[in-house]
Amino acid sequence: EAQVTQNPRYLITVTGKKLTVTCSQNMNHEYMSWYRQDPGLGLRQIYYSMNVEVTDKGDVPEGYKVSRKEKRNFPLILESPSPNQTSLYFCASSSAQLTGANVLTFGAGSRLTVL
Amino acid sequence: GDSVTQMEGPVTLSEEAFLTINCTYTATGYPSLFWYVQYPGEGLQLLLKATKADDKGSNKGFEATYRKETTSFHLEKGSVQVSDSAVYFCALNSNSGYALNFGKGTSLLVTP
Repeated sequence: EAQVTQNPRYLITVTGKKLTVTCSQNMNHEYMSWYRQDPGLGLRQIYYSMNVEVTDKGDVPEGYKVSRKEKRNFPLILESPSPNQTSLYFCASSSAQLTGANVLTFGAGSRLTVL
Repeated sequence: GDSVTQMEGPVTLSEEAFLTINCTYTATGYPSLFWYVQYPGEGLQLLLKATKADDKGSNKGFEATYRKETTSFHLEKGSVQVSDSAVYFCALNSNSGYALNFGKGTSLLVTP
């Protein structure tokens, strides 16, 4: 089944404790992206990647890092989490860059709470 | 820059009622337009799309028409069901190829 898999789905952590949210897709997609979803703010892009070793900042990159060493994986790293990073995170992928009718396939989401 | 504005929710309807969720956009060029749906506890999934003016996207009884003259892409369904309860997001591609711009989402609750 074609899918985007995120882990963990739920995580409660404390301020300053480094964590990684993994994302993997099995569709050989070139484009991958991370979004956060917050009440009243909708979805905001954190980082995206056009291909292996090619990443760039989205609208809200502060406090996050990413890497794209393999085509299928795009982990989101929070080096020193803070309470304002409490959110619902989505990983998404697409076969190519988002022009024309190319669509995003989303993972199920990772709900992160930072105490 | 490019942006999407959706009507604010929550929207509460009785089963079999008619649904309209308004969406307008601001963009340079000719973006493609999308509606995504998020069911409780799940990720977003594509509901329908339209790639040029006057195109009508449709899926699962939902429809939306790309209106360039009014820069709109309103979502409609003639008879909603309880299973349609979800959050609906209007979106457009930014033509940069790097991101979709999403509206803030409209929560729909359908009651029996």
